[in-house]
Amino acid sequence: KQEVTQIPAALSVPEGENLVLNCSFTDSAIYNLQWFRQDPGKGLTSLLLIQSSQREQTSGRLNASLDKSSGRSTLYIAASQPGDSATYLCAVIVPQGGSEKLVFGKGMKLTVNP
Amino acid sequence: DADVTQTPRNRITKTGKRIMLECSQTKGHDRMYWYRQDPGLGLRLIYYSFDVKDINKGEISDGYSVSRQAQAKFSLSLESAIPNQTALYFCATSDFFNTDTQYFGPGTRLTVL
Repeated sequence: KQEVTQIPAALSVPEGENLVLNCSFTDSAIYNLQWFRQDPGKGLTSLLLIQSSQREQTSGRLNASLDKSSGRSTLYIAASQPGDSATYLCAVIVPQGGSEKLVFGKGMKLTVNP
Repeated sequence: DADVTQTPRNRITKTGKRIMLECSQTKGHDRMYWYRQDPGLGLRLIYYSFDVKDINKGEISDGYSVSRQAQAKFSLSLESAIPNQTALYFCATSDFFNTDTQYFGPGTRLTVL
């Protein structure tokens, strides 16, 4: 059974720091891995998707890496800003019965202080 | 019984047809969401609703509309379906006191020919 873990559950940092968010998964048989941002009460906003054949993806100040063999992904946030404060979720997309399903981690709540 | 149900579970339709996907929940949650999932693009938010009188656009709302008929029901419409709307559609819910946890329905697989 696939399990996704994000540690720590919460992080509070001063503005300007470079951050690394960790995600680990137990089964390397994934189609791809996706990072999301969730603002309080709102839906999930997709940040980056890494195909299982890829090693990393970049978008602006965000960089996500994937090491399938070790079951790990990291989301790197450069020069953090208060507007980055949100909950960040990692999910792997796995095969299920001829289709796909997402398995989410529990998320990491990030607070960036001015 | 499932807390979040979606109907239909599978639908094949033709370009230009109007399609409605329905979502019902028995969790008593006030917040509901519609997402679509595409291979290579992952999960993306279409619309979300905080309560019956509140509707908000998500990342990819163009070509879609929604209706929150009651607290327990949130429907997604494609007024004139096009092939690139072929995807897996998920409904989700969350409550006011625990907005970080979303409960997903089983999904609707829509194919537009």
